[in-house]
Amino acid sequence: TQLLEQSPQFLSIQEGENLTVYCNSSSVFSSLQWYRQEPGEGPVLLVTVVTGGEVKKLKRLTFQFGDARKDSSLHITAAQTGDTGLYLCAERSYNTDKLIFGTGTRLQVFP
Amino acid sequence: EAGVAQSPRYKIIEKRQSVAFWCNPISGHATLYWYQQILGQGPKLLIQFQNNGVVDDSQLPKDRFSAERLKGVDSTLKIQPAKLEDSAVYLCASSVDRGRTEAFFGQGTRLTVV
Repeated sequence: TQLLEQSPQFLSIQEGENLTVYCNSSSVFSSLQWYRQEPGEGPVLLVTVVTGGEVKKLKRLTFQFGDARKDSSLHITAAQTGDTGLYLCAERSYNTDKLIFGTGTRLQVFP
Repeated sequence: EAGVAQSPRYKIIEKRQSVAFWCNPISGHATLYWYQQILGQGPKLLIQFQNNGVVDDSQLPKDRFSAERLKGVDSTLKIQPAKLEDSAVYLCASSVDRGRTEAFFGQGTRLTVV
């Protein structure tokens, strides 16, 4: 059973637009990771956030961890066609240390 | 550094047949994961190993799925007998250890059950 809800499920935008995707849970995250997956490949780690309120930037990508550590967002500025892919959040369970993935947001950026 | 190796890349079988997938993690990685990914969805954790012990297998359909990690290195995932709903990509990943470390993924095995 998936415990992490991501929204939106699908996003189709043109190059140059900004977008935000969200990751929410009913429980507190131990740590939260964001991955990107391209067709035919496995997910690749983008960032790990640990501290509530933490903000990390990776070029045009900005990751935010909620103060209560129950939600996170990924903002992309001036999207490019190379940003196309499936964006996944993943959490480490406090109790079992399992790595659980969210439902995913599929992003399509058109030229 | 060599990545996570999986084989085969593709497999087509008939329902009720059996199939096995193989994974060779990154050398020295203690934690190994098997995920099932239905098209368009996030990966679902089937089983997580720490060395050759099982951390969690609560989502593994044990009546038909089995997995082992011999000597804490390579791992195999088996399905017997396969059902149509088992059609998915099976991803193997490894990480240095438990905790906040990065998981490195293989390219996956795409299984089609007809």
